[in-house]
Amino acid sequence: GAGVSQTPSNKVTEKGKYVELRCDPISGHTALYWYRQSLGQGPEFLIYFQGTGAADDSGLPNDRFFAVRPEGSVSTLKIQRTERGDSAVYLCASRGAGETQYFGPGTRLLVL
Amino acid sequence: GEDVEQSLFLSVREGDSSVINCTYTDSSSTYLYWYKQEPGAGLQLLTYIFSNMDMKQDQRLTVLLNKKDKHLSLRIADTQTGDSAIYFCAETPNRDDKIIFGKGTRLHILP
Repeated sequence: GAGVSQTPSNKVTEKGKYVELRCDPISGHTALYWYRQSLGQGPEFLIYFQGTGAADDSGLPNDRFFAVRPEGSVSTLKIQRTERGDSAVYLCASRGAGETQYFGPGTRLLVL
Repeated sequence: GEDVEQSLFLSVREGDSSVINCTYTDSSSTYLYWYKQEPGAGLQLLTYIFSNMDMKQDQRLTVLLNKKDKHLSLRIADTQTGDSAIYFCAETPNRDDKIIFGKGTRLHILP
């Protein structure tokens, strides 16, 4: 079956702009996670949804970052007033009951 | 806080065994993972081990866990050029929780 998909695969924006990154989880997976991977680093947790609600948002770095999952399926990560330091690969993962997390290919964000 | 440490680089001759080591600090870790990431590609789960196990073997992969020392290793037998990638050690206390990743070990295969 289809895996986790993320769009766009690449996004170039200018400092100060607003961006939205989309994640389509595996069908039926109730849990969805966002991670950020900076160059030369491992992925770092941002936020975890169980259904429509954020069960853990402790990894969001500041209030410029926000994520939603209004219908419990697709999720959007929103970044306001982007900064050069936000440049990274943003990874989404989903998980079904009793399973481990499956990762998508990521969105590579470059802030100029 | 939780931390996962691993060496950054490893060079191995083709056909030899590769051993990638990792240490972690969270004593409540229950699931310990090895992920593989090839250039421009996503994270691929290679294998995982529960904290109540000390060894797991899957074809060319052997995972060893020393829970007392909080040390995890991944052995790749008969290393091939296709094994060239970054390998991430990771842990989580339970499946619901976030996964904590190390910085990754870049495995370079020498001809």
